[in-house]
Amino acid sequence: DTAVSQTPKYLVTQMGNDKSIKCEQNLGHDTMYWYKQDSKKFLKIMFSYNNKELIINETVPNRFSPKSPDKAHLNLHINSLELGDSAVYFCASSQDPVAGGPGNEQFFGPGTRLTVL
Amino acid sequence: AQKVTQAQTEISVVEKEDVTLDCVYETRDTTYYLFWYKQPPSGELVFLIRRNSFDEQNEISGRYSWNFQKSTSSFNFTITASQVVDSAVYFCALSEETGANNLFFGTGTRLTVIP
Repeated sequence: DTAVSQTPKYLVTQMGNDKSIKCEQNLGHDTMYWYKQDSKKFLKIMFSYNNKELIINETVPNRFSPKSPDKAHLNLHINSLELGDSAVYFCASSQDPVAGGPGNEQFFGPGTRLTVL
Repeated sequence: AQKVTQAQTEISVVEKEDVTLDCVYETRDTTYYLFWYKQPPSGELVFLIRRNSFDEQNEISGRYSWNFQKSTSSFNFTITASQVVDSAVYFCALSEETGANNLFFGTGTRLTVIP
């Protein structure tokens, strides 16, 4: 059983397009995250979200927006894609840090490799 | 602000050698959590360990061991008798009590185990 899944695994698109990456978790977690891993393997938090609060890393362009249709899903929508958006995007989930205490282990999806041409 | 430093960018060892991966962190919180993740060539992120700031006991899990020292703000990871399957990028990460559980990662150490 896949705990955190992402689709698609690979996404190749042209500059200027709008695209979405889907994320689903079946762990019953309350909090989900998006991370970006650049070409140098550096991993950086983009968003964390639970049913109460969206926390946005201030360095993330507003072309990126998370959308959560329900507790098990946190999709990432990207408008007007740029070359610099090429990266691997990881979704993760954890128990609610408020309810379960901070420092909860995050479970990561397999990643989506986005290539912008 | 929080920061995680992994000074070793790449390490190569011969199979069966022991290797230690260094991690130094900075935080202003008194309550925080430290993690190690492994990213094998297949690309997924695999959780290895979590430590909270109040637990400085070292931990051993099979060939893996972790040394947490608050006095030097370090959380080092040792692999004993390395194997080729240990070849991966290893990330140290920090989350703070005030940080909404977001993980702040170091830049990673690429370990290559040569057969």
